[in-house]
Amino acid sequence: QSALTQPASVSGSPGQSITISCTGSSSDVGNYNLVSWYQQHPGKAPKLMIYGGSKRPSGVSDRFSGSKSGNTASLTISGLQAEDEADYFCCSYAGASGYVFAAGTKVTVL
Amino acid sequence: QVQLQESGPGLLKPSETLSLTCTVSGGSLSRSYWSWIRQPPGKGLEWIGYIYYTGGASYNPSLKSRVTISVDTSKNQFSLKLPSVTAADTAVYYCARASYYDSSGYSFDCWGQGTLVTVSS
Repeated sequence: QSALTQPASVSGSPGQSITISCTGSSSDVGNYNLVSWYQQHPGKAPKLMIYGGSKRPSGVSDRFSGSKSGNTASLTISGLQAEDEADYFCCSYAGASGYVFAAGTKVTVL
Repeated sequence: QVQLQESGPGLLKPSETLSLTCTVSGGSLSRSYWSWIRQPPGKGLEWIGYIYYTGGASYNPSLKSRVTISVDTSKNQFSLKLPSVTAADTAVYYCARASYYDSSGYSFDCWGQGTLVTVSS
């Protein structure tokens, strides 16, 4: 069982917006503004999409945005495109426990 | 562009030692943490630990008693050793770079493709 919880799957039509939640606890997500999000296409290495809860690395589309409320972080993909179909997983710094991950969410573009 | 590549045996017997190496190309090991992360089949990712290029390491408390991560800057490599493996250690093992991003701590911004290690008698 992963330390962080995400829905197993989320789907949307092209052009729509979807939001993926990442629920942790006061020991990780709730205590640190250090959530990162990763995109992984099948057979490929994960790619950093969001760091520090809401910041995008250079080169990542502004259609991807992150936020946090309490113990739950969220990743929103706006203007959904076929290329966004992938697995997405969140990660949080957790102090003495290091880093904790979620199992991931499969995003399907209908 | 920095690239990471894991290497090591893909099949181990119970009680053997898992040894993996990550070779970093296109850049140096300087000013970053170098990590090992694993994903058992059908389960989520688990951070194993990381090491700074100068040699200081931090480990997941749940694995700390078994894990050793080391770095060899002369070869641009870092390694993972996990002794006495069991079936529970079967997973895809990733190496990754953790970089510091403007007051937002460290994030894993460069990953290897991953290597499947199966523990079976």
